[in-house]
Amino acid sequence: EIVLTQSPGTVSLSPGESATLSCRASQTSSVSYLAWYQQKPGQAPRLLIYGASSRATGVPDRFSGSGSGTDFTLTISRLEPEDFAVYYCQQYGSSSWTFGQGTKVEVK
Amino acid sequence: QVQLVQSGAEVKKPGSSVKVSCKASGGTFSNDDINWVRQAPGQGLEWLGGHTPIFHSTKYAQKFQGRVTITTDESTSTAYMELSSLRSDDTAIYYCARAFENVDTLTGSYSRYFDYWGQGTLVIVSS
Repeated sequence: EIVLTQSPGTVSLSPGESATLSCRASQTSSVSYLAWYQQKPGQAPRLLIYGASSRATGVPDRFSGSGSGTDFTLTISRLEPEDFAVYYCQQYGSSSWTFGQGTKVEVK
Repeated sequence: QVQLVQSGAEVKKPGSSVKVSCKASGGTFSNDDINWVRQAPGQGLEWLGGHTPIFHSTKYAQKFQGRVTITTDESTSTAYMELSSLRSDDTAIYYCARAFENVDTLTGSYSRYFDYWGQGTLVIVSS
């Protein structure tokens, strides 16, 4: 089973700043099956990025994903007030799914 | 537009079972790959298992093997997740989510992800 480790656990930033979130896989993960989700309190997760770098429908272009192999990154440029939330990476392999433990982006 | 509507909150005793439903609309349920994910209070997301109709296959996370059963009823477009031998640490919000496999017709690349989620069902296990 591939283990996903996200860092940092929490990042404190101000609106307008950029955020760089990391997701490292314990073994090579297919870019096809790497996704990122945003979750706000009291809500279900929302798909942001799939295939490591493709934005889901309706996702602003300040969100971008990159990476391959074992290292993947979600970048949020110019943080808006609504972007402060928890972000999870997810991967699919061997007929199972795993999530990273999440990165909280909080207001500084 | 696919919509997944889950059953209401449950309070259960330790050792008992809980069955959560997830009714789908707006898609083709017989082709939908419905998965179950849970989130304990203040914690992250944890996959329990999923049903893939085209492969007539149900997969479970190793951690929950033997304790979780996922079934579907095509006549009502409803998926079910039953968790048995409940413990206090099973207290969580349980989500259903549809897994979608996308094929980019321009590049031929494919990807797989959860595109639609239910609203979540709170299950509290307490004596």
